[in-house]
Amino acid sequence: QVQLQESGPGLVKPSGTLSLTCAVSGGSISSSNWWIWVRQPPGKGLEWIGEIYHSGSTNYNPSLKSRVTISVDKSKNQFSLNLSSVTAADTAVYYCARRWNYWGQGTLVTVSS
Amino acid sequence: EIVLTQSPGTLSLSPGERATLSCRASQSVSSSYLAWYQKKPGQAPRLLIYGASSRATGIPDRFSGSGSGTDFTLTISRLEPEDFAVYYCQQYAGSPYTFGQGIKLEIK
Repeated sequence: QVQLQESGPGLVKPSGTLSLTCAVSGGSISSSNWWIWVRQPPGKGLEWIGEIYHSGSTNYNPSLKSRVTISVDKSKNQFSLNLSSVTAADTAVYYCARRWNYWGQGTLVTVSS
Repeated sequence: EIVLTQSPGTLSLSPGERATLSCRASQSVSSSYLAWYQKKPGQAPRLLIYGASSRATGIPDRFSGSGSGTDFTLTISRLEPEDFAVYYCQQYAGSPYTFGQGIKLEIK
């Protein structure tokens, strides 16, 4: 059974960079799957942020593309999200997942000074 | 970008009743790359249906999906207490993958 676990700071200052890591267990990140990030702001719906294949190929949501970087570390069986120049609008629960049936529990990131 | 519009916004029903949730796409969703998720507070989204009508592993057969093109439906045949949650449709036919705004299924 594939399991995913997000980790990273729960509080980020405005204009800073949000950095999260998703550790994958029970399966290899080098398998033929896309690994994704999705977020949910408080009281709002779900938003797809982007995805990465183990080869390093990426797809990003155009609404965030200028600020997002997703990378993979095969040696650690994990992938990461960097979101730069954050504002309060980036406050959300961030989920990592394996497209689309295995999800982490999510981690709340608050952007505040 | 494909916009998904779900209706109704809130559905108030009793356990044992049948629920019908609608999802309409702004353009045709090719090859039925349409999924449905259940979302409860504090929990990750749970994949229910993929490919418009295929149940994900472990999903009870009271959940069924149908539709094609621009109109899709999730049906819950007989509501159980644990089914009251928010439901999202999602298209993954083309980037950016998008979700509907959600339907809250509440106990009447």
